[in-house]
Amino acid sequence: SAVISQKPSRDICQRGTSLTIQCQVDSQVTMMFWYRQQPGQSLTLIATANQGSEATYESGFVIDKFPISRPNLTFSTLTVSNMSPEDSSIYLCSVEEWNGTYGYTFGSGTRLTVV
Amino acid sequence: GQQVMQIPQYQHVQEGEDFTTYCNSSTTLSNIQWYKQRPGGHPVFLIQLVKSGEVKKQKRLTFQFGEAKKNSSLHITATQTTDVGTYFCAGRALNKFYFGSGTKLNVKP
Repeated sequence: SAVISQKPSRDICQRGTSLTIQCQVDSQVTMMFWYRQQPGQSLTLIATANQGSEATYESGFVIDKFPISRPNLTFSTLTVSNMSPEDSSIYLCSVEEWNGTYGYTFGSGTRLTVV
Repeated sequence: GQQVMQIPQYQHVQEGEDFTTYCNSSTTLSNIQWYKQRPGGHPVFLIQLVKSGEVKKQKRLTFQFGEAKKNSSLHITATQTTDVGTYFCAGRALNKFYFGSGTKLNVKP
């Protein structure tokens, strides 16, 4: 399965600033996703990162707040903009692969604390 | 709106006992996935079920997808302490994923 390098693993940020999270995959993948997970809670899909076009955002998430880049089939970034303490969460990228059957791999996550 | 309900929220078992978690969707799903997340870790993909009535096994784990493709279950036979973690289902409908709230499994040795 794909190996994902997600950076940073954690950060503490001041409110009003922005943080960019990166995910690098060791193989080309068509589908990449960005999720948010509060500690002890389930996962919420933020958006699907589309290569060469604008990301597809889920209800409640907007591009101005969570801009996403997908310059190629192995890399994506998620920016959390103008942060507030409510943005404190774990952010995860995920990829979909096809090797005869579908498989899904998550990055190790970015634990963000906004103070 | 679309959602996937998962029960129970918590399950405490003695090592060797069986464990089952259930997911129910309000609408028909195109497929359903199961993940395991250890404390402090990220979700790890276990399996995807696509066909109506599908049953798949992975060693002590048995996964089922209902005939109507609205419900699914994960059953673990003879739990071990290594099974500790939170198990999530994720239903796919209209190209979107809907995660269940998870079942946190604790196994007492």
